[in-house]
Amino acid sequence: DIQMTQSPSSLSASVGDRVTITCRASQGIRNDLGWYQQKPGKAPKRLIYVASSLQSGVPSRFSGSGFGTEFTLTISSLQPEDFATYYCLQHNSYPNTFGQGTKLEIK
Amino acid sequence: EVQVVESGGGLVQPGGSLRLSCAASGFTFSTYYISWVRQAPGKGLEWVANIKPDGSEKNYVDSVKGRFTISRDNAKNSLSLQMNSLRAEDTAVYYCFVRSEDYWGQGTLVTVSS
Repeated sequence: DIQMTQSPSSLSASVGDRVTITCRASQGIRNDLGWYQQKPGKAPKRLIYVASSLQSGVPSRFSGSGFGTEFTLTISSLQPEDFATYYCLQHNSYPNTFGQGTKLEIK
Repeated sequence: EVQVVESGGGLVQPGGSLRLSCAASGFTFSTYYISWVRQAPGKGLEWVANIKPDGSEKNYVDSVKGRFTISRDNAKNSLSLQMNSLRAEDTAVYYCFVRSEDYWGQGTLVTVSS
């Protein structure tokens, strides 16, 4: 199985900050990766697909990059509504696997 | 409007069985891979299983292989997850999920406890 190691597991930041979250795959997954945002009590919502494509309707402050084994999600200027938990998901092979999650909290 | 609605969750004793259902509308159900994803209380997301559009291929995470069975009825736009030999660690909210389009249900809670 492909392991997705996500870091950091938690992050404290302020409105207006630039933040970066990383996922590392235990083997190459091309660009078969998505980034998801989840708020308490809600289903996740995809922000980025195929590593770097912005989901329709998602603000442009969100961006993704990477190929192979290392991927990043960047939020260029944090807004109050961005405080949530973020996950990566690889869909290159079965079983698909999520990263452990990054909880983004207000400083 | 796309709708994905899970049902069938509840409280079950260890070793028991439960069948989850997912009713979909607003998209061409029969053309998509559909997955189940679960989330234990206070924990992260875990991909559980998926099924090919025609039902001919099914994939599972190791922890549920031999105990869970995913199936679909394209004529009824529905997906099921038959869960047998349930364990405490299967306690979670179970989501029906179309990854390619990012369609999610609201989830259904399964609690395995005596």
